[in-house]
Amino acid sequence: AQSVTQPDIHITVSEGASLELRCNYSYGATPYLFWYVQSPGQGLQLLLKYFSGDTLVQGIKGFEAEFKRSQSSFNLRKPSVHWSDAAEYFCAVVREYGNKLVFGAGTILRVKS
Amino acid sequence: DVKVTQSSRYLVKRTGEKVFLECVQDMDHENMFWYRQDPGLGLRLIYFSYDVKMKEKGDIPEGYSVSREKKERFSLILESASTNQTSMYLCASSFPGTGNYGYTFGSGTRLTVV
Repeated sequence: AQSVTQPDIHITVSEGASLELRCNYSYGATPYLFWYVQSPGQGLQLLLKYFSGDTLVQGIKGFEAEFKRSQSSFNLRKPSVHWSDAAEYFCAVVREYGNKLVFGAGTILRVKS
Repeated sequence: DVKVTQSSRYLVKRTGEKVFLECVQDMDHENMFWYRQDPGLGLRLIYFSYDVKMKEKGDIPEGYSVSREKKERFSLILESASTNQTSMYLCASSFPGTGNYGYTFGSGTRLTVV
C-alpha cells in the first residue's frame, strides 16, 4: 500500500536561512506527489505537485520540490525562509486506485528571528 | 474564488450525541472527502464520495457515516459521539481522475466531545 514518511516532526530555522523538508514515499509506479501547507487554524493549501516530466517542480510562495525516483523522495525546499512560512507542511501521494490522497504525518516548521 | 466551506469552525458536543458536520463546495467537483487530523498522525481518510448518493469507506470509517444528497454538499455524521472522536475534521473536494487537480480543503471543524 502507498505510504508517505516525513521523518522530521519539528524543524526550526532562522529567518533568511534555507529550508529543506524531507518526504519519502512508498509506491510501485510513478507517483503523483503533493506538498500542502497548513497555517494555524486554517485548512490545507496546495504548494506544488508532481505528476511527470521535469523532476524539479516550482510552487507558490517561492517553494520548490525535487522528485528523486532512486531515493523515493520528494523533498521541499526554499532558499530563504520568511517568518510567515511558519506552519505545518504535509507531503502526500495519490493512492493507486481512485483519487484519494495519502498524507504523511506532517512537519511543523518554526522560524526564529 | 473557489471555496470549500465547513459550517462550523468549533463545536463542543456531549458524549452520545448525534453530530452533523457540514461541507459545501462551489466548484462543481464530483469528488468530496472527509479527513480527520490528529497530531503526529497527519490526515486520515474517513469517507469519500465520487458522486451524488455514492460513498466509500476510507481508512477509519468506524463510528462515522456520511450523506451526499446534492453534488455540492457532503455531510459527516457521528452517530453517537465519543471522546476519542475529539479531533480536527477537514473536508476536501476535487475533480475526478488520478489527482490531476489536487484537492481544495475547507478550513476545518475542531470538534470537542465532552
